[in-house]
Amino acid sequence: GQQLNQSPQSMFIQEGEDVSMNCTSSSIFNTWLWYKQEPGEGPVLLIALYKAGELTSNGRLTAQFGITRKDSFLNISASIPSDVGIYFCAGQLGHGGSQGNLIFGKGTKLSVKP
Amino acid sequence: DGGITQSPKYLFRKEGQNVTLSCEQNLNHDAMYWYRQDPGQGLRLIYYSQIVNDFQKGDIAEGYSVSREKKESFPLTVTSAQKNPTAFYLCASSIAAGNEQFFGPGTRLTVL
Repeated sequence: GQQLNQSPQSMFIQEGEDVSMNCTSSSIFNTWLWYKQEPGEGPVLLIALYKAGELTSNGRLTAQFGITRKDSFLNISASIPSDVGIYFCAGQLGHGGSQGNLIFGKGTKLSVKP
Repeated sequence: DGGITQSPKYLFRKEGQNVTLSCEQNLNHDAMYWYRQDPGQGLRLIYYSQIVNDFQKGDIAEGYSVSREKKESFPLTVTSAQKNPTAFYLCASSIAAGNEQFFGPGTRLTVL
């Protein structure tokens, strides 16, 4: 099936640092979504992107839908301890039938530097 | 208070037993989904339903069954045919197929 390559797999943050992660695919996507999951909980939707080149912010989070429609990135500015968790990208190939199903990356695990 | 509920939060079963996981939503969403999550993995789609009384297999449907008799409910049965059922199960819904999905809190199933 389709795959999304999400990187990095994990990273350590120090409070105040900016964080960047991205997802790439060999397929063209219609929609990109970014979710955050905390341990033992369901993913929470952070940002949804619908158009190539779109740049959308949600507080300290900024995400972009790549021009080629094959990639997306998420930036977190001035990180704080509660940013820790696993961030997932997800893409949709289209809207109808199985094309509307989400394809997920394997996640970027954000941890706090000791 | 609108949302998606899954129960129970933790479930233990003996090998060879069928078990049914509950998913209910009061968001008036047409589409509902079941995912399986294993450690260090993304979410994999088990079954989805775009509308009541209809459902389709996802990428890993073997050993699972679902029903969609009511718009607000989409229970998942993990059968004894599922070779490795221990996992975290997530239910999601969207207003219609192809729209953003919103997730429930998950059920962690452990088969002993």
